[in-house]
Amino acid sequence: ETGVTQTPRHLVMGMTNKKSLKCEQHLGHNAMYWYKQSAKKPLELMFVYNFKEQTENNSVPSRFSPECPNSSHLFLHLHTLQPEDSALYLCASSLRDRGTGNTIYFGEGSWLTVV
Amino acid sequence: AQSVTQLDSQVPVFEEAPVELRCNYSSSVSVYLFWYVQYPNQGLQLLLKYLSGSTLVKGINGFEAEFNKSQTSFHLRKPSVHISDTAEYFCAVEAGGTSYGKLTFGQGTILTVHP
Repeated sequence: ETGVTQTPRHLVMGMTNKKSLKCEQHLGHNAMYWYKQSAKKPLELMFVYNFKEQTENNSVPSRFSPECPNSSHLFLHLHTLQPEDSALYLCASSLRDRGTGNTIYFGEGSWLTVV
Repeated sequence: AQSVTQLDSQVPVFEEAPVELRCNYSSSVSVYLFWYVQYPNQGLQLLLKYLSGSTLVKGINGFEAEFNKSQTSFHLRKPSVHISDTAEYFCAVEAGGTSYGKLTFGQGTILTVHP
């Protein structure tokens, strides 16, 4: 139990489907993140939310749409994805505090397969 | 911008042997340095981090790392490994200042401990 819970753990979707990944953190943090882990590539930061406001979009295609309704919940809405979007999507959270190195706590990830 | 190079994609060792996983980084600004571990089918867990001060950092599970500014390295070591240390290890950097939570990861090193 890491304090960051992701659902579903596994998702298979067609290219025309619309689905969402959900993340919830129980750590009292004020920043949340989506990272993408693809085979043979380093983990890539996708989005950053601080106090529910998006502060970073790392040139992510618009077929990925994040939503952060409050500081404990983060969603990633998926539509018209491509097979190359198949990956492990990791949610993370941290307590934004200058000078602490901002330890990031990761969830167990959602395995996404696009067929 | 920052970059991280993990010099070995795979490291096989025998149980109770020492191990070193190498990490080099480049950055034009001061950085915070992290090592994370990912066990099969799980998210990332923080092993240790360097923010400032002593260049030798001790983490969980008997791991330690040494920050070498002149060589821009942050190698991870353990004097005696166990079967349970088999996992993938990631080195990451975060630029100091306003780059909260924006980690740049290396490609990962798969550590396999053989009996």
